[in-house]
Order: sequence, then C-alpha cells, then structure tokens
Amino acid sequence: DTGVSQDPRHKITKRGQNVTFRCDPISEHNRLYWYRQTLGQGPEFLTYFQNEAQLEKSRLLSDRFSAERPKGSFSTLEIQRTEQGDSAMYLCASSSFGGNEKLFFGSGTQLSVL
Amino acid sequence: AQTVTQSQPEMSVQEAETVTLSCTYDTSESNYYLFWYKQPPSRQMILVIRQEAYKQQNATENRFSVNFQKAAKSFSLKISDSQLGDTAMYFCAFMNYNNAGNMLTFGGGTRLMVKP
Repeated sequence: DTGVSQDPRHKITKRGQNVTFRCDPISEHNRLYWYRQTLGQGPEFLTYFQNEAQLEKSRLLSDRFSAERPKGSFSTLEIQRTEQGDSAMYLCASSSFGGNEKLFFGSGTQLSVL
Repeated sequence: AQTVTQSQPEMSVQEAETVTLSCTYDTSESNYYLFWYKQPPSRQMILVIRQEAYKQQNATENRFSVNFQKAAKSFSLKISDSQLGDTAMYFCAFMNYNNAGNMLTFGGGTRLMVKP
C-alpha cells in the first residue's frame, strides 16, 4: 500500500493557460474522487469515478473543468483557460467499493494562477 | 443538502491535556456516517475516527473519542493526552449512507495548536 499519489505537488500558471493534474490511487481501490480546497476552508467535492465510469460530475465548478480515468487506474483533472479564482489545492482520494466508506487522500496539488 | 458547521476556528491545548472540538450538522437523512479528519502541514487528509449514525455507542480510537448526539445533530471530538504531533487542522465530515458515491461534506475546520 503506497498511498494515493498526486503530481505535481505545486503548479504555477498564468491566467488563461490550461493545466492538468494526475492522481494515482491505491492500487486495489476502484473508486476515485476529486476535491477542491480553498484557503481556510474544508474540501469541496468535485467528481468521482467507479472504475473508469464517471458517476457524478454535476459538482464540477464549470465546463472548464474535466476529469478522466481512462483505464480505471490513474485519473487526470484538467482545467482549461485558468482564472485566478481557480487557485486552490486539488485533492484526490480513493476508496474500495464496500470499504467501510473510508476515503484515503493524497497530499494534493497546490495551484496558483497569476 | 447537508451542512456541517465547526464553530471553533482555532483552539490551543497544553501537551498532555484534553481538548474537545465541536461539530454540528444538519440533515434530513436518518442513516449516515460522520468522520473526523486531520490535516497536518503536510496537507494529507488523515482519517482520525468514524461513526455510524445507527450505532448508539460512541466510537473510540486510542486517544481519540467522539460524543455523538444524534437528536442534537452534534458530533464532537475529544483528544486525550494531547501530543505535539496532534497540531493540525481538524475537519468534521458527513456522508449520506444512501449516497452511492461516498461523497463527503466537510465543515470549515478547526486549527488545533498543541503547546509544549
């Protein structure tokens, strides 16, 4: 069990650029989640996958946000045409179906949009 | 929709003392889970303790215990024998039992400082 891994740890970009973050879940976990955490706040749910199927995406903040999990393993979160309000930490978590509802989180990707 | 409220933005405690963090929530559901997560400066959210709403017995994990009051919709965390390593942000979170997606709703957090 190597834990949930996120890359990069930090990302600085200019307004209007596209960014992509990667998450590698715990290997036997079939559920994967993306959350956003702004400074001084608790995490906010964005989307989740069960295997390769994205079963909930209505909480994605705008159509500039998209996520994929093409082979049911790692996932990517992309933000197009970034805005300064997108600056936040993006957290990934994973769990196993029927795993006592315990989510395991990664250390997040801190995004700064200049 | 569920809401989770943590009314204490910051707290401090002396090492070896006991501290209680408060959490209230609002829901119309009857079956759900409640959690406390710890977020140290490393940023990784770490599960501290979990409570099923249908269980009357309060959950305990070593030095951590909860006081779950379902009628009052209150879920406080007690940390006994506080250690320097307990310094972190603590988040209370709610999960609807019938939520197929295991979506967590978090409170705003309490920053805990353990002083030597």
